[in-house]
Amino acid sequence: GENVEQHPSTLSVQEGDSAVIKCTYSDSASNYFPWYKQELGKGPQLIIDIRSNVGEKKDQRIAVTLNKTAKHFSLHITETQPEDSAVYFCAATFNTNAGKSTFGDGTTLTVKP
Amino acid sequence: EAQVTQNPRYLITVTGKKLTVTCSQNMNHEYMSWYRQDPGLGLRQIYYSMNVEVTDKGDVPEGYKVSRKEKRNFPLILESPSPNQTSLYFCASSLRGPYNEQFFGPGTRLTVL
Repeated sequence: GENVEQHPSTLSVQEGDSAVIKCTYSDSASNYFPWYKQELGKGPQLIIDIRSNVGEKKDQRIAVTLNKTAKHFSLHITETQPEDSAVYFCAATFNTNAGKSTFGDGTTLTVKP
Repeated sequence: EAQVTQNPRYLITVTGKKLTVTCSQNMNHEYMSWYRQDPGLGLRQIYYSMNVEVTDKGDVPEGYKVSRKEKRNFPLILESPSPNQTSLYFCASSLRGPYNEQFFGPGTRLTVL
């Protein structure tokens, strides 16, 4: 089955700096790569996703890049703010795998004011 | 308001005492799934359901049961809970499967003594 590795497990940045979280996946058939943000005491919430037919997607301060050849994708957050502090999860799946869903282990991002 | 609800939010029980965690969604989603979240292990899928009366195992199904008799409900059953099932549980739903955005419930914190 699919295996997703996420790095780093913790990340601390100064407010205004950029943050990058990386994930690698094992199954070359995977074609959907979402990123979820989990704030303290809440369930994860989708912040951005990318499908395998594009290499990059951007939404204001957040961007995701995908390298299908190397089987890795990254989340980029620019101009970080304290409210970006949360746990971030990546996931990889493909639409012929029925309902299986594989997440990374999560990255705890702390943005220091 | 479109949402996924879970009950109870917190539960402390003893080994062997059967329990059910309910999950309900009001978005007419076909897909529902249960995850457990443990420190350092990310989100691991327990069971999922592609539609009514269709359920299948995720990565960590041992010790759990589910049913999907109605589209909106997807209860998680622990027939004989053990301490290693102490965890934070999330229910999620999406329109067709994990290759669409998943909407997560607020979580259920379970402690098995």
